[in-house]
Amino acid sequence: NAGVTQTPKFQVLKTGQSMTLQCAQDMNHEYMSWYRQDPGMGLRLIHYSVGAGITDQGEVPNGYNVSRSTTEDFPLRLLSAAPSQTSVYFCASSPSGGAFGELFFGEGSRLTVL
Amino acid sequence: AQRVTQPEKLLSVFKGAPVELKCNYSYSGSPELFWYVQYSRQRLQLLLRHISRESIKGFTADLNKGETSFHLKKPFAQEEDSAMYYCASSGGSNYKLTFGKGTLLTVNP
Repeated sequence: NAGVTQTPKFQVLKTGQSMTLQCAQDMNHEYMSWYRQDPGMGLRLIHYSVGAGITDQGEVPNGYNVSRSTTEDFPLRLLSAAPSQTSVYFCASSPSGGAFGELFFGEGSRLTVL
Repeated sequence: AQRVTQPEKLLSVFKGAPVELKCNYSYSGSPELFWYVQYSRQRLQLLLRHISRESIKGFTADLNKGETSFHLKKPFAQEEDSAMYYCASSGGSNYKLTFGKGTLLTVNP
């Protein structure tokens, strides 16, 4: 099994550009989430989903949109990129809620906004 | 808001020495607590969770509700333990896991 797959692994954007970070999992997990990892800040939850058609905000949702049309996919959209969104983004899934089940992480997507 | 505090950004020990990575949480109830680890060039992965009460790779973590702590300990550190360690807490939420800022552990030969 591939587990959690994120694409792209690296991306450079200019301020104001839009893009989508893709996340797919093949473990039939209901719960999926997006975190950003910044030096000295740890991991912060952006958005999460407890199943297809259901999404909710995490700690730092501003500037990001998500949707969950299928169990497998959970894309993260940046509508108008800002330098403050330069970060490493991690997608994670869990067979149950993140609090009670093990989170399985992707390899990360490193985004630079110029 | 739920807070998870890892007071040490960096921790350096010698091989064979005991190691303790500190973690304190702010939730007043009974949270679910975890330690995640990220080895160099590997994915972030679960190391252990307090409800399992298990020892993984020689590491243990005890929940101290009085001190709201969940420190990670290993009696004899190995070089392969060098990694970034994150403490995480549910804070009573079923769906939101709050991570600390992480501690980078270096085990020197």
